Amino acid sequence: GESVGLHLPTLSVQEGDNSIINCAYSNSASDYFIWYKQESGKGPQFIIDIRSNMDKRQGQRVTVLLNKTVKHLSLQIAATQPGDSAVYFCAESRNAGNNRKLIWGLGTSLAVNP
Amino acid sequence: ETGVTQSPTHLIKTRGQQVTLRCSSQSGHNTVSWYQQALGQGPQFIFQYYREEENGRGNFPPRFSGLQFPNYSSELNVNALELDDSALYLCASSLGTVSGYTFGSGTRLTVV
Repeated sequence: GESVGLHLPTLSVQEGDNSIINCAYSNSASDYFIWYKQESGKGPQFIIDIRSNMDKRQGQRVTVLLNKTVKHLSLQIAATQPGDSAVYFCAESRNAGNNRKLIWGLGTSLAVNP
Repeated sequence: ETGVTQSPTHLIKTRGQQVTLRCSSQSGHNTVSWYQQALGQGPQFIFQYYREEENGRGNFPPRFSGLQFPNYSSELNVNALELDDSALYLCASSLGTVSGYTFGSGTRLTVV
């Protein structure tokens, strides 16, 4: 079936270290991928996105890598800060007729230790 | 520019009752999507509204219905509530049906 899943449910890192959160997807028709951050009691917040015609995209302190061969993407956070503690979701997007449907993974909880 | 606002923030209902959740889209956005997020899970797509019409639906029964108004705000209605309907309901607005979404903080629904 369709799925977007994460390899690790929890990740604990030291403040200042780099974090890598991984995501696997199963549908090769997906052409757009998004990473969201969700803090407790809040809605998901857009972090960064990448289209399937790209392998890498960089933002402020974040980088997303896409490997279409193995259907894998990752989110790298440089110099992780306590404010980065949250649940991170990857979402897979594909055209579903005349709308774009987001399919979400289960999420990885990132804990940053001071 | 205002973001996406949802009301109420928390709600407790009894099994079998009906509930209406509301969402005001971000200024300039004409599309609203609704998601259900169970505790510890990723959001699940319920449906999307574009120009006041349903524009795609996920795997949810007909007792989940919605509306979009001329000002692009939206309502999610759930009839005959079940215990498993307890979840965080998220609304996301976007400009068009294919662009990025801005999410509200959600409505936490508890069915007892």
